[in-house]
Amino acid sequence: DQQVKQNSPSLSVQEGRISILNCDYTNSMFDYFLWYKKYPAEGPTFLISISSIKDKNEDGRFTVFLNKSAKHLSLHIVPSQPGDSAVYFCAASKRNYGQNFVFGPGTRLSVLP
Amino acid sequence: DGGITQSPKYLFRKEGQNVTLSCEQNLNHDAMYWYRQDPGQGLRLIYYSQIVNDFQKGDIAEGYSVSREKKESFPLTVTSAQKNPTAFYLCASSMGGGSFNDQPQHFGDGTRLSIL
Repeated sequence: DQQVKQNSPSLSVQEGRISILNCDYTNSMFDYFLWYKKYPAEGPTFLISISSIKDKNEDGRFTVFLNKSAKHLSLHIVPSQPGDSAVYFCAASKRNYGQNFVFGPGTRLSVLP
Repeated sequence: DGGITQSPKYLFRKEGQNVTLSCEQNLNHDAMYWYRQDPGQGLRLIYYSQIVNDFQKGDIAEGYSVSREKKESFPLTVTSAQKNPTAFYLCASSMGGGSFNDQPQHFGDGTRLSIL
């Protein structure tokens, strides 16, 4: 049973437009969420995080939104650039239980020039 | 530069053989982790260690073993008991050594293990 879901395996967006990647979770005890970006043959790179006490966190072109009632978070990238083409993983954890993150299956983003 | 080094990048194993994947970090992180990635799936936790000389099983520990004799090193042994070892293995570390920590994990570039 997947506790963290990314229902879109892939997404294509035109350069300059907004990319929206979605993530849903089932465990209401998750209170810390992260997004990672992964290029082929490399390890994931941390992108942005959000704590459950917030509903939005912004870092440059990247914004993560958290809707706790819906158990849903999303990553917005604007404007999208060709270098953003990668696989994006959503991860969640229960901080008081240590840092065992649960990862989603990933969404492959392709930004078309 | 600080980072996590995994070696080798590619590894081949004969059936019935144990193999050890190396993971070294110079970030002075307390916690280290091993994940496995299969196509179409997220990363699944194999083992983790919050402190030297201590480690815990993750979700899929069967057929694997680890040691944490030094803070910098967390080698993973894939034993012959692991029936489906072909996968991409990722090592990670974080500052979090205990509970309630907001530090993200830093990953190595992975080792791809294949069975001959």
